Amino acid sequence: DGGITQSPKYLFRKEGQNVTLSCEQNLNHDAMYWYRQDPGQGLRLIYYSQIVNDFQKGDIAEGYSVSREKKESFPLTVTSAQKNPTAFYLCASSIPRRSSRMSTDTQYFGPGTRLTVL
Amino acid sequence: QKEVEQDPGPLSVPEGAIVSLNCTYSNSAFQYFMWYRQYSRKGPELLMYTYSSGNKEDGRFTAQVDKSSKYISLFIRDSQPSDSATYLCAMSARDDKIIFGKGTRLHILP
Repeated sequence: DGGITQSPKYLFRKEGQNVTLSCEQNLNHDAMYWYRQDPGQGLRLIYYSQIVNDFQKGDIAEGYSVSREKKESFPLTVTSAQKNPTAFYLCASSIPRRSSRMSTDTQYFGPGTRLTVL
Repeated sequence: QKEVEQDPGPLSVPEGAIVSLNCTYSNSAFQYFMWYRQYSRKGPELLMYTYSSGNKEDGRFTAQVDKSSKYISLFIRDSQPSDSATYLCAMSARDDKIIFGKGTRLHILP
């Protein structure tokens, strides 16, 4: 079964701690994305990566970091610098057009991780 | 003016009714249009993908794009309680990021 998996489903963090959210895909997609979803705010782009060992900041990258060492994996670290980290985090992937700076092709989403700061 | 506007709802309709969900946008360069369905506490799943103007039908779902009015619609025929979810519109220009609407919550009443 091809798809995107995210773990854990629920995550609790104490103030001042860094936590890492996992995202894995076996769709052989080149591009991967992290979004944050808050009630009434829609999806906001945190980071994206079009190819291994390369990634770009999205609209709300402050307080987050990512790595892309493997095509299949794009973990997101929520650092203690993120002022309001409680949210629903979504990972997505897509096949980018060769000529695009950033993919405009359809994105497929994982099931999400709900992070709560205690 | 926001790039993509979508009424948050909630929209409640009786089972079997035709549902109309809409988004308006301001960027005339948008040419790729998508609709996603998101159940509570789940990730969005792609429902429809349309390039440029026109209609696209898939089962009970029809996506419509009117670029002259900067208006897109999703119609659901013979609505079912299982259609109750949040529906997100999304769109992009060539070589640019995807912009999502904030979603419309839909309730189908049995």
